[in-house]
Amino acid sequence: NAGVTQTPKFRVLKTGQSMTLLCAQDMNHEYMYWYRQDPGMGLRLIHYSVGEGTTAKGEVPDGYNVSRLKKQNFLLGLESAAPSQTSVYFCASSYNSGSTQYFGPGTRLTVL
Amino acid sequence: AQKITQTQPGMFVQEKEAVTLDCTYDTSDQSYGLFWYKQPSSGEMIFLIYQGSYDEQNATEGRYSLNFQKARKSANLVISASQLGDSAMYFCAMREYSGGSNYKLTFGKGTLLTVNP
Repeated sequence: NAGVTQTPKFRVLKTGQSMTLLCAQDMNHEYMYWYRQDPGMGLRLIHYSVGEGTTAKGEVPDGYNVSRLKKQNFLLGLESAAPSQTSVYFCASSYNSGSTQYFGPGTRLTVL
Repeated sequence: AQKITQTQPGMFVQEKEAVTLDCTYDTSDQSYGLFWYKQPSSGEMIFLIYQGSYDEQNATEGRYSLNFQKARKSANLVISASQLGDSAMYFCAMREYSGGSNYKLTFGKGTLLTVNP
């Protein structure tokens, strides 16, 4: 039982490059989330999805796009990376909006 | 104002002793939930314990218990019989209603716990 997985684990980008982070869950959860974690800031919600084909903005959505084409996958895209997007990115999923969120292992992204 | 406040940036405890990590929250909702997550140095976020606002008894999960004081709006995590593997960052989080059928999870900034042998 893999739970929530994220690829890649690490990535280094140059300013202006684009990339996509992949999150996958095998728990048949409806809800999926993308957070970023910065030193001293805790976790902040970027975007979330309440089901296949739906997405919504979180607290810090600027500079990111997301897609949920399949229930088990949630993609986070950076179209033009900036150094301010250097962070650790976590994906999470939950059965419904109010239930416990389970997290993936994180992706450490550095933008030079 | 911060929704979740963890006033202890760092805590030290001797192995086998108990430790309390503080968390206070701010909400006007009647229905909400409180969570604690552990983040070891390896980086993953591990769910530890949950307390609902209407739960009359404090939540317990093995060596973890949540000291829920609703009137004081506090939800402290108590770890009994600390182990070296408990050394990690601990995050308190609150789930509250955000509109429609959605809830929002807000995290505190964390407390770094170090267990000394």
